[in-house]
Amino acid sequence: GQNIDQPTEMTATEGAIVQINCTYQTSGFNGLFWYQQHAGEAPTFLSYNVLDGLEEKGRFSSFLSRSKGYSYLLLKELQMKDSASYLCAAVAYSGAGSYQLTFGKGTKLSVIP
Amino acid sequence: DVKVTQSSRYLVKRTGEKVFLECVQDMDHENMFWYRQDPGLGLRLIYFSYDVKMKEKGDIPEGYSVSREKKERFSLILESASTNQTSMYLCASSPSMREQYFGPGTRLTVT
Repeated sequence: GQNIDQPTEMTATEGAIVQINCTYQTSGFNGLFWYQQHAGEAPTFLSYNVLDGLEEKGRFSSFLSRSKGYSYLLLKELQMKDSASYLCAAVAYSGAGSYQLTFGKGTKLSVIP
Repeated sequence: DVKVTQSSRYLVKRTGEKVFLECVQDMDHENMFWYRQDPGLGLRLIYFSYDVKMKEKGDIPEGYSVSREKKERFSLILESASTNQTSMYLCASSPSMREQYFGPGTRLTVT
């Protein structure tokens, strides 16, 4: 089975740094996605980690530890427009060339002045 | 830019009606997906397709069926709509195991 946990809500101050954690228990794990979703809009891709370590992309970085079943998304220099839900999703191969993507319930981040 | 379009942004249907939700992508992607998104439950996979005429069940296929007759089009069908199928429905497409591109979503209300 697949199980993904992330905090429901977080609040942070404009200009600060925030870390959103995600833990997963996934058989056949292949990689981990982070998506951003503004209220009323579709999710948009942020990052995809396959190997252990930190990947940086501008103000956003994503980290993966396969042995610990753990990932985090780091947002630096927070801006008001970063207020959104952040979705963690694990990819698992289920055999015969088939794969499945399981999403966490999302973390709603509120950035305050 | 990848474009994924869905036939309606808002839809209201009556219990027992047959409902078709259409999704079209213009990037020749092999993989297409249907999700529903509900408060407190997150995104849940209903069905996906990795090729024309191929389909795989996701986590919650009950009450739904799909059709993929052409590569660019993936349809979700509610055979007999029920009130518990009121939700936001999101279609996505993907060229590979990497990022998925989502459509704008269809908010379906079943009364």
